[in-house]
Amino acid sequence: DAMVIQNPRYQVTQFGKPVTLSCSQTLNHNVMYWYQQKSSQAPKLLFHYYDKDFNNEADTPDNFQSRRPNTSFCFLDIRSPGLGDAAMYLCATSRGTGAGETQYFGPGTRLLVL
Amino acid sequence: GDSVTQMEGPVTLSEEACLTINCTYTATGYPSLFWYVQYPGEGLQLLLKATKADDKGSNKGFEATYRKETTSFHLEKGSVQVSDSAVYFCALLYSGAQKLVFGQGTRLTINP
Repeated sequence: DAMVIQNPRYQVTQFGKPVTLSCSQTLNHNVMYWYQQKSSQAPKLLFHYYDKDFNNEADTPDNFQSRRPNTSFCFLDIRSPGLGDAAMYLCATSRGTGAGETQYFGPGTRLLVL
Repeated sequence: GDSVTQMEGPVTLSEEACLTINCTYTATGYPSLFWYVQYPGEGLQLLLKATKADDKGSNKGFEATYRKETTSFHLEKGSVQVSDSAVYFCALLYSGAQKLVFGQGTRLTINP
């Protein structure tokens, strides 16, 4: 089935140790998003790619970076994770950005920072 | 700025009870409106959506109607099941804006 896949589902890292989360999609969608969801909170958009064009949210910390080497894959890099970065990270895709465009979410990667 | 407000949770109901989860929004234009559901430990799944005033979205027995006059998009189901236990998020999206603006989520628990 076409879907949004995130690996790993659970990631443990140490304080300050760089970590990369991955997302892939078989939907051939143009847009890929990364959201951060802390416990009992709503998801918060970090950034998104429209094709190769990167769009960063104004309040996303510099500690968070992203790469999209091709249509199917997108990576979230956290350069120096802090305790406050422990969260669920959700990848989503959409065909475009028109009215009513649905965003399709992956299962998420739960990050624990020790 | 644009925002979404959902009814406070958690909500606990018995199986076969009627459900309403209130959602209101503040926006300068006419966004598209969505309900997403999140089961424990999982990502978000689209439940239903509506793209213009008076549209009704429906799926799996859930319904919501886009009410421009009251800026609301309340989620309803006539008879809930234990399997409906999850967190429900109301969200809005502007054309070209890319960013989903979510409400705070409502945790629903259905007891047998």
